[in-house]
Amino acid sequence: EVQLQESGPGLVKPSQSLSLTCSVTGYSITSSYRWNWIRKFPGNKLEWMGYINSAGSTNYNPSLKSRISITRDTSKNQFFLQVNSVTTEDTATYYCARLGVRVMDAWGQGASVTVSS
Amino acid sequence: QIMLTQQAESLWISPGERVSITCRASQSLLYTDGKHYLSWYQQRPGQTTKALIYHASVRTDGVPTRFIGSGSGTEFTLSIEHVQPEDFAIYYCLQTLKSPFTFGSGTKLEIK
Repeated sequence: EVQLQESGPGLVKPSQSLSLTCSVTGYSITSSYRWNWIRKFPGNKLEWMGYINSAGSTNYNPSLKSRISITRDTSKNQFFLQVNSVTTEDTATYYCARLGVRVMDAWGQGASVTVSS
Repeated sequence: QIMLTQQAESLWISPGERVSITCRASQSLLYTDGKHYLSWYQQRPGQTTKALIYHASVRTDGVPTRFIGSGSGTEFTLSIEHVQPEDFAIYYCLQTLKSPFTFGSGTKLEIK
């Protein structure tokens, strides 16, 4: 059974970079699927941020494109999110999720990140 | 980008009742393969997000039959028959037809 787990700092200062890791067990991220980052803002709105596919190509939400980077370490079966120049509006719970052709069938528990000085 | 509208922010119902949650898309979610790229998800506190429905009407493995997805084009509905206590949660629709993928704003099912 595939499992995803987010990790990273819970507090980031404004103007700094937010970095999160998604550790995947039970499935190789190089085999198939698209590996996504999604965030949930206070108030429950969900935003798809982007993905890295099994070949290593990325696709980002244009609303974040200039600030976001998704990379991976295939030896550790992990993928990463970096968001630059954060503001308080980046305060959210960040999720990683696996997307097949049809559905996001596996999600992490979520990592809460607060942007505050 | 494709906008998804879930009109109801909250719905109050009693256990055992039937409820329908709607999701409207700003353009058709029908692809050339004849499938709609609309899926439904459940978020409960302390649980990982659960995929319920894909292609608008197909239940994912293990999802109880009381969850029913329907609709086509731009109008979709998630119905829950005989709501159980564990169904009180937030429900989201998601379109993966076109990037950027977008979610509906969510509908919270609350106990009356």
